[in-house]
Amino acid sequence: DTEVTQTPKHLVMGMTNKKSLKCEQHMGHRAMYWYKQKAKKPPELMFVYSYEKLSINESVPSRFSPECPNSSLLNLHLHALQPEDSALYLCASSLRQRGEAFFGQGTRLTVV
Amino acid sequence: GIQVEQSPPDLILQEGANSTLRCNFSDSVNNLQWFHQNPWGQLINLFYIPSGTKQNGRLSATTVATERYSLLYISSSQTTDSGVYFCAVEGSGTYKYIFGTGTRLKVLA
Repeated sequence: DTEVTQTPKHLVMGMTNKKSLKCEQHMGHRAMYWYKQKAKKPPELMFVYSYEKLSINESVPSRFSPECPNSSLLNLHLHALQPEDSALYLCASSLRQRGEAFFGQGTRLTVV
Repeated sequence: GIQVEQSPPDLILQEGANSTLRCNFSDSVNNLQWFHQNPWGQLINLFYIPSGTKQNGRLSATTVATERYSLLYISSSQTTDSGVYFCAVEGSGTYKYIFGTGTRLKVLA
């Protein structure tokens, strides 16, 4: 089983809302990732967690707040987003922070 | 940081044709993956190939890490092969995957 599950699949939120994206895997992977993908562009790395600790933050604005409550779960908390933050948000996991990565189906976020 | 360029950027094929997609990277890498992104956005793993050659059905891939490129071969293409193909590389010592620019493939029936 190489499944990474993301919820919700679609999200529309206002600029003053607070929402969260959820990512779950049960493969025993200890590295988890958030990527952001704009239309017709490649995915761009946002955050990397390794053994539930934040390992890499690619200078992401503080309106995006990641959280890794346990080894199977990764959240991305969203607050005061801008319309330009509308994108496909992809979660991935790998056995360690080096190795084959597996991606979820993504959450398509629209900020209005 | 490492630069990852893919070619061609766009490709249109008739069903049954063969194609070669290329991924060039600017620095040494520890890992390399090929993905197919379907129209719904899902990234599907094709190959995990830091070096050498692998085959899976109609697809095969070769990575020559010393020369900083990887190739993805698609034979007897089908309409379901349409989508965007990405390579992603983990630069040496970086512990993170960087995606290439992508090749957008359309296979016509």
